[in-house]
Amino acid sequence: DSGVTQTPKHLITATGQRVTLRCSPRSGDLSVYWYQQSLDQGLQFLIQYYNGEERAKGNILERFSAQQFPDLHSELNLSSLELGDSALYFCASSVAGGASGAQETQYFGPGTRLLVL
Amino acid sequence: KNEVEQSPQNLTAQEGEFITINCSYSVGISALHWLQQHPGGGIVSLFMLSSGKKKHGRLIATINIQEKHSSLHITASHPRDSAVYICAVGGGATNKLIFGTGTLLAVQP
Repeated sequence: DSGVTQTPKHLITATGQRVTLRCSPRSGDLSVYWYQQSLDQGLQFLIQYYNGEERAKGNILERFSAQQFPDLHSELNLSSLELGDSALYFCASSVAGGASGAQETQYFGPGTRLLVL
Repeated sequence: KNEVEQSPQNLTAQEGEFITINCSYSVGISALHWLQQHPGGGIVSLFMLSSGKKKHGRLIATINIQEKHSSLHITASHPRDSAVYICAVGGGATNKLIFGTGTLLAVQP
């Protein structure tokens, strides 16, 4: 158990809908990362937050947005869903997210499996 | 060409064999990570290294910064080692990772 929790574990929805994925980082970790894992693209970095502020952005679609709340949990919002958004979405956390200038081990949550029908 | 390349893509071994998975990268990095993903989907960080060699149990990871290459070795492989092994590189001030496509390892009894 990494200490990172994600809800829900599974989500089935229809095209055009909007969903929210939730992540709680390990106790003491200030940085949260979101990753998407699909069959054709593999693992891709979406976005990173550090202590409530966006720190880095990757291949995140405009239909997707995220935020990190004062209690450090994070939510990833996916809207106008398409079939191609079906994937595993992972959240990971680390202590300082590179703010110290050093690379850090990231601890991954169990993932949310999204199926868009 | 991907920034992080892994080989082989698939690997089948007999229990007890010595296994090597390779990773090459083309970008500047601060550290390289080896991750393990089991069939259930969960991802576990095995190693983070920026130079030299690290060992944990039967797993050994090495990196050659000049050649931009890393290897993950598994000694005395066991069926429970069956998983996808993913190489990822990180650099800059954000800690974000760029991933290889993974190596699917199956260890047969």
